[in-house]
Amino acid sequence: DAGITQSPRHKVTETGTPVTLRCHQTENHRYMYWYRQDPGHGLRLIHYSYGVKDTDKGEVSDGYSVSRSKTEDFLLTLESATSSQTSVYFCAISPGTGYSNQPQHFGDGTRLSIL
Amino acid sequence: DQQVKQNSPSLSVQEGRISILNCDYTNSMFDYFLWYKKYPAEGPTFLISISSIKDKNEDGRFTVFLNKSAKHLSLHIVPSQPGDSAVYFCAASAGAGGTSYGKLTFGQGTILTVHP
Repeated sequence: DAGITQSPRHKVTETGTPVTLRCHQTENHRYMYWYRQDPGHGLRLIHYSYGVKDTDKGEVSDGYSVSRSKTEDFLLTLESATSSQTSVYFCAISPGTGYSNQPQHFGDGTRLSIL
Repeated sequence: DQQVKQNSPSLSVQEGRISILNCDYTNSMFDYFLWYKKYPAEGPTFLISISSIKDKNEDGRFTVFLNKSAKHLSLHIVPSQPGDSAVYFCAASAGAGGTSYGKLTFGQGTILTVHP
């Protein structure tokens, strides 16, 4: 299995509070991604990173920010959580070297409930 | 605008028979396609992929077919086993490297149940 650790694995919090999810990888991969999974939508890209301090928005980025100060860590922050952000969040990594197609590998997810 | 669609929410097959999961896409820029398998409380696991320069790719019991003119791909599992019961997602990417950064667009998923 790819060395990807997501923390926490479960979190319950209240509307309006800040929340930070962490993704840690031991593969030294260049690309990292945050997705959310919701019924009827599959997985949707929130933000991604193509290098240290290099990040960009995905399909559903409103209400989320990210940071990547080290190759191994990619943080997802909900500045003021809303109930619509209740979801399962997945981090993924990809080597991002060269121009060959390479699959992403996923962590086991964080189940976030916002009450 | 759903660029990748899996129109069957669920599929039920008998052990030993063939499972066929389907996926349609609309974006003609997609050139790399993947299938992932997901068990409850786990992350998606990469199964098999295909580049747009091919129309078929096999890996053991799993075969992916790509029909570019119809913008359609399918995953065949032969023979199906009870352990294959999971949610299957198709995904697509536009361009290797460059500014696509390997971003994936996923379908909604199909729940496969294989009965003993």
